[in-house]
Amino acid sequence: ETGVTQSPTHLIKTRGQQVTLRCSSQSGHNTVSWYQQALGQGPQFIFQYYREEENGRGNFPPRFSGLQFPNYSSELNVNALELDDSALYLCASSREPNDEQYFGPGTRLTVT
Amino acid sequence: DAKTTQPNSMESNEEEPVHLPCNHSTISGTDYIHWYRQLPSQGPEYVIHGLTSNVNNRMASLAIAEDRKSSTLILHRATLRDAAVYYCIRDTGTASKLTFGTGTRLQVTL
Repeated sequence: ETGVTQSPTHLIKTRGQQVTLRCSSQSGHNTVSWYQQALGQGPQFIFQYYREEENGRGNFPPRFSGLQFPNYSSELNVNALELDDSALYLCASSREPNDEQYFGPGTRLTVT
Repeated sequence: DAKTTQPNSMESNEEEPVHLPCNHSTISGTDYIHWYRQLPSQGPEYVIHGLTSNVNNRMASLAIAEDRKSSTLILHRATLRDAAVYYCIRDTGTASKLTFGTGTRLQVTL
């Protein structure tokens, strides 16, 4: 099995801009979850997609949105970036929603 | 409230066993306990999970108290590669939403 991959590794954006982060899940994994991890904190759940439909959402505003594609790839989109959006963004895939999750290495987003 | 309580940090010598405690006093009967760890500059990694009985796998053992209000992750022989932040998580079963706390930073020394 190939692992979960994310791109890009690092990204710098300006406040107010929009960003798209990408994740490639393990083959056969129908579920992808996205997390935001601020420096020194544990990851915070953003949302989960199962079979291309949103399947749960954490306490994040609507400017955080996502897509999941049939080829096991997914995207996290963030509009109107704010300074507080600077964080490590992690995606995690699993076969089914309640199975163990396999995390990617993350994308480090810096908003200036 | 799906929070758990863990010590901020712990230290261990290499080759010695490590017992990482976690309190989850408000746990409900159907909540699983998951442990993940995060090595420096990496995403979290699944370690083990359980419901009521003690669990063992190739990485660790999980001892769950009889009243389920606490649990202990046991690394039988710590190595330098086990230095990481260990997260104890209550899985309330809501769309696999994992609620991470700040975890326990484990330092392993020679």
